[in-house]
Parts: sequence; structure tokens; C-alpha cells
Amino acid sequence: DQQVKQNSPSLSVQEGRISILNCDYTNSMFDYFLWYKKYPAEGPTFLISISSIKDKNEDGRFTVFLNKSAKHLSLHIVPSQPGDSAVYFCAARVGNTPLVFGKGTRLSVIA
Amino acid sequence: GAGVSQSPSNKVTEKGKDVELRCDPISGHTALYWYRQSLGQGLEFLIYFQGNSAPDKSGLPSDRFSAERTGGSVSTLTIQRTQQEDSAVYLCASSLYGRGVGETQYFGPGTRLLVL
Repeated sequence: DQQVKQNSPSLSVQEGRISILNCDYTNSMFDYFLWYKKYPAEGPTFLISISSIKDKNEDGRFTVFLNKSAKHLSLHIVPSQPGDSAVYFCAARVGNTPLVFGKGTRLSVIA
Repeated sequence: GAGVSQSPSNKVTEKGKDVELRCDPISGHTALYWYRQSLGQGLEFLIYFQGNSAPDKSGLPSDRFSAERTGGSVSTLTIQRTQQEDSAVYLCASSLYGRGVGETQYFGPGTRLLVL
């Protein structure tokens, strides 16, 4: 039973355009959501997070949107850069329980 | 170094053998986590250490898996009698205070385990 789903295994975007990565979840008790970015042969690195009491969090080119009624999370990258090419993982948590990760979406930003 | 380090970076072993994977967390971090990423899957939580508290072992897939954290720092994940389905990337992470709002986990590069 996958509680965190990233239904698009891959995404290609032109440099300078917006990248939108989506994540759906099934557990309405999740209260904290995170996005991690992973380059090949490296561990994931934390990108941005959002608490369930908010619907938007912005950090530079990265914005995370949370739609609790739809149980949907998205990460927007504007403008996209070739260095953004990586696998992006969505993760969620209830209180102090372990993070639950999605399977990831591979983003390719084409110059 | 400043980050989380793991060794070995790659490990090939034969089915039935035992393996030990090591994690050196960021100095001063009280919490340490082990995850596993199998091919085409997301990260799967294995075990969590926080300070001197009893570890959360709820993610360990079988009793062939065990982990220790000595002196509140270095951790070793041991897999006994390895099976082919144990082949995966094993990732270690640490965080300053542990689970809670605002906690950020810092990951190591992982150990790629291949069981033949």
C-alpha cells in the first residue's frame, strides 16, 4: 500500500521553463511534507518542506504547494536550469513517525 | 569530513554470506537513520537511533537485519545470510535533534549492495 505516490517516473522540461513535479498521498494524518533531490551516486539532499498548516512555501526558485483536500503536493521550479536535472523524491510524515517516501521522478532539464 | 560518510561504497557478496555496512554521521548529530532503496522503489525506512533511547526497529524487514550505534556516533548495519532480494542501495542519514517539526535529515552517498 503506497501512501506517497509520484505517478510520473520522468519529466523533461526546456531550460528556463517551469518544472512541476507532483505527489499524491493517501494518509490524511500526514502533517509534514518534504522534497529531496538526488544526483546519481549521491545521497538525497533536502530541498524544501511544508507543514500541513500551510498551503505554500517558497525558497528562491523552488515553491511547494499543498492541497490538503485533494491530498496533493507539488514542487514548482522556476526557471528550470540544467543543474536541476536529478531525481526528486516526495516524502511525508505523521508526527514523529518515519518518513514515507515516494518512488521519485527523474527531471531532465534540456538546454 | 563535514557530511555523512558510508563505507564501503560498493559491496558484492554471495548469497548466504553476512555483510556489514558502516555509517559515520555528521559530528554532533544525535539522530541516525538507515534506509534502503531497491531498484525502481522509493526509500524504505529500516531503523532509527535517537540519543540513548531504544532504537525504532519497526522498518527492519526480517530478523536477518540488525544495527548498532556505538557511543552515539558510528553505526553498523548487519545483514546475515544475505539473499538476492537484499540487493539495494543502503542509505544512512543523520539529523541534529531527531524526529520533529523542522527536522532535516542529511544523507550519505549510500552503499550499493549486490547479492549474487
